[in-house]
Amino acid sequence: GAVVSQHPSRVICKSGTSVKIECRSLDFQATTMFWYRQFPKQSLMLMATSNEGSKATYEQGVEKDKFLINHASLTLSTLTVTSAHPEDSSFYICSARTEQGETQYFGPGTRLLVL
Amino acid sequence: GENVEQHPSTLSVQEGDSAVIKCTYSDSASNYFPWYKQELGKRPQLIIDIRSNVGEKKDQRIAVTLNKTAKHFSLHITETQPEDSAVYFCAVSDSWGKLQFGAGTQVVVTP
Repeated sequence: GAVVSQHPSRVICKSGTSVKIECRSLDFQATTMFWYRQFPKQSLMLMATSNEGSKATYEQGVEKDKFLINHASLTLSTLTVTSAHPEDSSFYICSARTEQGETQYFGPGTRLLVL
Repeated sequence: GENVEQHPSTLSVQEGDSAVIKCTYSDSASNYFPWYKQELGKRPQLIIDIRSNVGEKKDQRIAVTLNKTAKHFSLHITETQPEDSAVYFCAVSDSWGKLQFGAGTQVVVTP
C-alpha cells in the first residue's frame, strides 16, 4: 500500500514553455500533498503544501505565480512550472500523506530539463 | 523555523561494520522524526521513523535513537552490506506536518 505515482518521469522543454507534473496517490486518499525540488547532490527543499479543495501554501522564496499547484481531488495534485527557464531544471518530487498519518510517501520524481 | 543539521556528510564503511548518522534539530515541539534512504535518481524511501514518546526503535539491522532533551536523533545500521550504499536523509516534522530535511549523508559500503 501507500503508492504514489508521478508523471512524467522526465521532460525536456524549451525555455518559456510551461510544464505540468502530476502526482497521484494510487491506493489511498491524500488530503495533503507536498512538492519538493532537489538539485544534484543536495537535499529536498519543500516548495509548497497542497491541500485538497483549498489553495496551496508556498514556502518562503517560492513564487506562487510561477509554480501553480492544483489539488483537485483526494488522489491528484498537479504542479505547473510556468514559463520555464534553465534555472528551473531540477528533480521535482511530490509526496502524499493521509489525514490521519504523519508518514509522507514519495513519488518517483520528475526530472525537468529546460533548454 | 526548524533547523536540522546532519553529520557526517559522507561515511565510508567496510562491509559488516556499523554506520551511525546523527541529526540535531532546533524546535523542541517537533514530535516526528523519519529517516529516508535515496538511491541515485530514485525516490526517497522511508526506512524507519520514531515519535517523540519513544526513545529507541529497531527494525532488523536498522535502529533509531532519540534524545528529546538534547534534541538529537541518530540512525544506526549494523552489519552493513553493499546494498546499504545510498544517501540517507533525516527529517523533522513541524506542527503543520511539514518535513524539514537534513543535508544528507552519502554512505558507501565497501566489500
